Amino acid sequence: GENVEQHPSTLSVQEGDSAVIKCTYSDSASNYFPWYKQELGKGPQLIIDIRSNVGEKKDQRIAVTLNKTAKHFSLHITETQPEDSAVYFCAASKIASGAGSYQLTFGKGTKLSVIP
Amino acid sequence: ETGVTQSPTHLIKTRGQQVTLRCSSQSGHNTVSWYQQALGQGPQFIFQYYREEENGRGNFPPRFSGLQFPNYSSELNVNALELDDSALYLCASSSGVGAQYFGPGTRLLVL
Repeated sequence: GENVEQHPSTLSVQEGDSAVIKCTYSDSASNYFPWYKQELGKGPQLIIDIRSNVGEKKDQRIAVTLNKTAKHFSLHITETQPEDSAVYFCAASKIASGAGSYQLTFGKGTKLSVIP
Repeated sequence: ETGVTQSPTHLIKTRGQQVTLRCSSQSGHNTVSWYQQALGQGPQFIFQYYREEENGRGNFPPRFSGLQFPNYSSELNVNALELDDSALYLCASSSGVGAQYFGPGTRLLVL
């Protein structure tokens, strides 16, 4: 099955700096890569996703890049703010056979701390 | 548009007991996926329900079972609880191959 590795496990940045989180996946058939932000005591919140027919996607301060050949994808957060502090998870999936939705395999998470 | 809701928020059970967790999907979504998140780990896929039928299962034993109802809400049942079942149980709803949106989770503690 799919295996997703995520690095680093913890990341501290100064407010205003950029943060980069990297993930690798093992199954070359995976074609969907979402990123989630989880705050303490809450469920994961989708912040951005990318499909394998696209190499890069941007939404305001957040961007994701995908390298299918190397089987890795990255989350980039620019101009970080204290409210960006949370645990971030990457995930990967291929579409389930038949109908239904993706069955996500998650990385172990990155705890991002933005220091004011 | 209401988001994904889960109940209860917290639950304490003893080893060997059974538990039922509930999830209401987001309006317009027909697929519910359940995940188990141990402390300090990423969510792990348990199973998925699409149009009231199981549509894929992760590496979880048969004592983890589920249901989906005609209104697309769902239940997760766990029999013969073990200490290692203590975790945050998350459900996520989606429509077709759209993104999955998670609920707040149910925190289960098995003593």
